[in-house]
Amino acid sequence: DVKVTQSSRYLVKRTGEKVFLECVQDMDHENMFWYRQDPGLGLRLIYFSYDVKMKEKGDIPEGYSVSREKKERFSLILESASTNQTSMYLCASRTSGSLHEQFFGPGTRLTVL
Amino acid sequence: AQSVTQLGSHVSVSEGALVLLRCNYSSSVPPYLFWYVQYPNQGLQLLLKYTSAATLVKGINGFEAEFKKSETSFHLTKPSAHMSDAAEYFCAVTFQGGSEKLVFGKGMKLTVNP
Repeated sequence: DVKVTQSSRYLVKRTGEKVFLECVQDMDHENMFWYRQDPGLGLRLIYFSYDVKMKEKGDIPEGYSVSREKKERFSLILESASTNQTSMYLCASRTSGSLHEQFFGPGTRLTVL
Repeated sequence: AQSVTQLGSHVSVSEGALVLLRCNYSSSVPPYLFWYVQYPNQGLQLLLKYTSAATLVKGINGFEAEFKKSETSFHLTKPSAHMSDAAEYFCAVTFQGGSEKLVFGKGMKLTVNP
């Protein structure tokens, strides 16, 4: 059974803190994605990675960075968290080829105070 | 550039009634289309996808969708709603031979009334 796991379901941080969100997939997928989900805005792509150490900006990369040192793990980093980064963060993975679906993790609900 | 439009943000049906969730896409090349469902406090899971084989696609939980090129649509239907169908539904598009990225619609929250 395919699995994408995220390190936390709920996270509360303070403004200015550095925040790490971790995502691990066990399907040997080449592609991994980070989205944020906000009411009325749907899913917006932050960053994605199509191979180890490779990354590409999505639609809203500002204020975020990513790291992919191993194929199964994709980390999202908020260098200095701000209140407008309070959101649901979803990780996904997929094998290469655009006809294949993405598999999603359960999400991390981040609150920045 | 590809895009999808899901008009409205909420739809409410009675248990046993037809479910119809609309999705229109924009793509200059043949698209691949997906419907995902998100139950409360969970990630997204695939309901069904269109990858140019059959235009009528059947998915999980009794849902199906029909690809209509002339209408640039990929509407999701279920003949009889169940209380457990209450969730948020997202339509997404990519295109053949193209980017690894999916473009999502804004989502539609389905409420099922007893």
